Amino acid sequence: NAGVMQNPRHLVRRRGQEARLRCSPMKGHSHVYWYRQLPEEGLKFMVYLQKENIIDESGMPKERFSAEFPKEGPSILRIQQVVRGDSAAYFCASSPAVGGSTPNEQFFGPGTRLTVL
Amino acid sequence: AQSVTQLDSQVPVFEEAPVELRCNYSSSVSVYLFWYVQYPNQGLQLLLKYLSGSTLVKGINGFEAEFNKSQTSFHLRKPSVHISDTAEYFCAVIDGTGGFKTIFGAGTRLFVKA
Repeated sequence: NAGVMQNPRHLVRRRGQEARLRCSPMKGHSHVYWYRQLPEEGLKFMVYLQKENIIDESGMPKERFSAEFPKEGPSILRIQQVVRGDSAAYFCASSPAVGGSTPNEQFFGPGTRLTVL
Repeated sequence: AQSVTQLDSQVPVFEEAPVELRCNYSSSVSVYLFWYVQYPNQGLQLLLKYLSGSTLVKGINGFEAEFNKSQTSFHLRKPSVHISDTAEYFCAVIDGTGGFKTIFGAGTRLFVKA
């Protein structure tokens, strides 16, 4: 059973370009989470999605950032008109359907390291 | 809002010595607590978690942590470290009253010396 897959692993963009980061959850997982890790910092929650639904996007910047998790295919984190401050590692995690009031373990992908020149 | 404080940014220790990595969280009625390890250029791997029950939690690679509600702490310990334990360790909390958003601490870099 393959783990969480993220691609690309490394992405270089110039200021003003668009960045698309992909995340394929583990088989059987229907929940996806995106986190951003700035250098020398911990992970910061960005968004929590189920298939075709955004559950919690309280950590997403108000502009330029969007996320989707379509019925078919990977989850996409899209950053429009990138700026140098967007340079970071972006991690995706997935979990099975949440049951009851106890959270399930989140399984993390290897991350995409975005560098904005 | 929930927050997590990891008191030490770096912890150097000699091989086979014991280690404790400290973690405190802001108070909440119900919390779920986690420790993750991150090796260079890799994602996070779950070491252990506290959801309910016994306050002493045992995880992988010989690590354990103790949930202390009165001190709002969840310190990670290992009685004897190996060179291969050198990594970044993150404490994380999910506030049971506020959905399933995970809040991470800033991380503690454990450096094991020969």
